Amino acid sequence: DTEVTQTPKHLVMGMTNKKSLKCEQHMGHRAMYWYKQKAKKPPELMFVYSYEKLSINESVPSRFSPECPNSSLLNLHLHALQPEDSALYLCASSPEGPGPRGTEAFFGQGTRLTVV
Amino acid sequence: TQLLEQSPQFLSIQEGENLTVYCNSSSVFSSLQWYRQEPGEGPVLLVTVVTGGEVKKLKRLTFQFGDARKDSSLHITAAQPGDTGLYLCAGEEASGTYKYIFGTGTRLKVLA
Repeated sequence: DTEVTQTPKHLVMGMTNKKSLKCEQHMGHRAMYWYKQKAKKPPELMFVYSYEKLSINESVPSRFSPECPNSSLLNLHLHALQPEDSALYLCASSPEGPGPRGTEAFFGQGTRLTVV
Repeated sequence: TQLLEQSPQFLSIQEGENLTVYCNSSSVFSSLQWYRQEPGEGPVLLVTVVTGGEVKKLKRLTFQFGDARKDSSLHITAAQPGDTGLYLCAGEEASGTYKYIFGTGTRLKVLA
């Protein structure tokens, strides 16, 4: 099973709303990622969790707040977003084991976020 | 910051043609992955290359890792409309950091 599940698939939110994106994997992977992807661009790394601890924050604005409640779950809390934050948000996980295959990332289908 | 530059950016070809996509960096990678992404979906892992000079085949797709592990290529033989999509190379920016970055992407369209 190489499945990463993201919910919701689509989300429309106002600039004053608070919402959360959810991601779940049951592959025993120890690294989990959030990426943002704008149209016709490659995914851009936002956050990395390693063994449930935040290891990388790519200078993401504080209106995005990640959370890793346990090794299978990853959330992205959204508050006071701007229209330019509209994008496809992708979650991924990788084994983080020894050797190069530890970085093979498996992606969810993404959440299409529209901020109005 | 390591960058992964892909070329070409866009490619539109007829069904049955062959093509090669390149992924280049000035830095050494311990491994590289290739993904294909369709609109509105997440990237799907195609292959991992690890050893310099390694060649891997996946049906009509052939992946090669450069001898110096700074570049990689993807060759598609007899392209089909189902090959249409965004092809991305990716790798860990520095070993052990889990800073996993993507190349600039190659958008392929195969016309029937």
